[in-house]
Amino acid sequence: DQQVKQNSPSLSVQEGRISILNCDYTNSMFDYFLWYKKYPAEGPTFLISISSIKDKNEDGRFTVFLNKSAKHLSLHIVPSQPGDSAVYFCAALENFNKFYFGSGTKLNVKP
Amino acid sequence: DSGVTQTPKHLITATGQRVTLRCSPRSGDLSVYWYQQSLDQGLQFLIHYYNGEERAKGNILERFSAQQFPDLHSELNLSSLELGDSALYFCASSVTAGPSYEQYFGPGTRLTVT
Repeated sequence: DQQVKQNSPSLSVQEGRISILNCDYTNSMFDYFLWYKKYPAEGPTFLISISSIKDKNEDGRFTVFLNKSAKHLSLHIVPSQPGDSAVYFCAALENFNKFYFGSGTKLNVKP
Repeated sequence: DSGVTQTPKHLITATGQRVTLRCSPRSGDLSVYWYQQSLDQGLQFLIHYYNGEERAKGNILERFSAQQFPDLHSELNLSSLELGDSALYFCASSVTAGPSYEQYFGPGTRLTVT
């Protein structure tokens, strides 16, 4: 039973445009949500997180939006750069102890 | 470099065997998490240790066990290996105090069971 889902396996965006990556979850008790980026042959790298009591968090080009009523999370990257090409995972934290990860979305930013 | 080290990088073994994967967390991090990533899948949470104590378990098989030692390094033991255990195994560490709850991942150990 997947509690965190990323329904788009891949996304292609032109350099300079906005990338929007989406994530849906089923457990309304999650405490925190996080986004990670992963390059081939490396471990995931933390990007940005948001508390369940907030609806937006921004860090430079990255903004995460949380819609609790829809149980939906999104990551906006503006402007997108070729170096952003990677697999992006969303994750949710339960009881501050246990993480659930989505299956990932492969982002390709075309020059 | 995240500061988390995992050994070995690659491991090839036969069905029925037992292996041990090792993880050294970042200096100062008390929490260690283990994950399994099978082909084209997301990361499956296996287990979380904090300062030597087990804090949470995910979908960890009974054939798998883990521990965290007094020096905070951790080992994941996989026994009676099956073909389906072939995967990337990641370890991550964190301070586990917020505010972002970010984890720092090691480069992973690729296990191939033949």
